Order: sequence, then structure tokens, then C-alpha cells
Amino acid sequence: GDSVTQMEGPVTLSEEAFLTINCTYTATGYPSLFWYVQYPGEGLQLLLKATKADDKGSNKGFEATYRKETTSFHLEKGSVQVSDSAVYFCAILQGGSEKLVFGKGTKLTVNP
Amino acid sequence: KAGVTQTPRYLIKTRGQQVTLSCSPISGHRSVSWYQQTPGQGLQFLFEYFSETQRNKGNFPGRFSGRQFSNSRSEMNVSTLELGDSALYLCASTISGGEETQYFGPGTRLLVL
Repeated sequence: GDSVTQMEGPVTLSEEAFLTINCTYTATGYPSLFWYVQYPGEGLQLLLKATKADDKGSNKGFEATYRKETTSFHLEKGSVQVSDSAVYFCAILQGGSEKLVFGKGTKLTVNP
Repeated sequence: KAGVTQTPRYLIKTRGQQVTLSCSPISGHRSVSWYQQTPGQGLQFLFEYFSETQRNKGNFPGRFSGRQFSNSRSEMNVSTLELGDSALYLCASTISGGEETQYFGPGTRLLVL
């Protein structure tokens, strides 16, 4: 079945550091790819998405590119802020399906 | 436009009891999906409803059930609660499902004692 693997956390960075969270997936066909973020005590918020190969999703300084050849969708941000501290989830959605398949999540802590 | 709302936000139950959780989707959205989030298993898909019909179901026992009303509001029910049912239950809505972006509510945190 479909699956998502993302780097184990937790990740601790200083403010203004560069962030990369790796995400790879296993799926048949061409799924849509998502990054969701969860702040403490809250539900999931969509951070960005990409629906076809080589698409780049971006939002709030975060970026991720749909790499079909490596089945990856790594999340990057050039300069993190304390307010970016949260848990980040990579997810895939197969065409015609309503079932999101999530990675385990990566907890990011940014220190001032 | 108001987001997805879930009630109650917190719930404490004891083993053997049953519980009903409610989800109101974004206005105009007709598809509602439910997920369970636990530290051990992460986020897992429970089921999805569209136009009052269950279209997809995850790998959960029959104690977990749901329904959707004509106004698209959805409820999920867990009967004969077990300690392992303690989790954050999230619902998400889309206009009609498929490859659309799912918008999540804040969740209902259930603690089973």
C-alpha cells in the first residue's frame, strides 16, 4: 500500500537557520503531495501542496518540489523563526481517493 | 467563511462507554473525512462521507462508526471504549472529495480512563 517516510525528529534549530525536512513516498501512479503543520493544541493546517511532477509548492517562506524520479517532496525554508516551531507532516493523496496517507511527523523547535 | 468546527473539544470517558463526536464542515463542503491521531500510530484514516453515504473506510474495528446528515454535518461514534481509543480525532472537509485539499478542524481530544 501507499506509504510516506519522513525524517525522524525532533529537529532543533536556531533562529534564521536553514531548514530541510526530508519526505519520500511509495505509491502507484501520480499522487498529490502535501505538507501540513500542526501547532501545539491545534488541528492540521495546510502549508503547501503540489499535484504533478516538478511542481513547486510554496507558502510563508516554505517550499517543496514534487520530484517524481526520486519520489520525494522535501520541505525547505531558508531562515526559520521561533514561530515556525510545530510538528510538520508530509502526506500523499491518490487520485480518486479521499484518504490522506501521512508520515509520522517531524517536530521542529526553533530557539531564539 | 467559517472553518471546520468540531465539538466537543475535550472529552473524558471510561472504558466500556460510548462516545459521539460531531463535525461541521466548511459551508458548501459536502465531503467529510475522519482521522485518528495517536503518538504511537500517527494519523490514520477512519472513514469518509459524501452526500450522506460512506465512500471509504479505513482499517478500524466495527466499534467505530459514522454518519452524515443532509446538511453535511457528520458524527462519529465509538462504542465500548477501550484505553487505546484515547486520541485526537480530526475531521476534514472538501467540496466533493477526490484530489481536493482537505481542510481540518481543531480536533476532539478523547481520553479514556
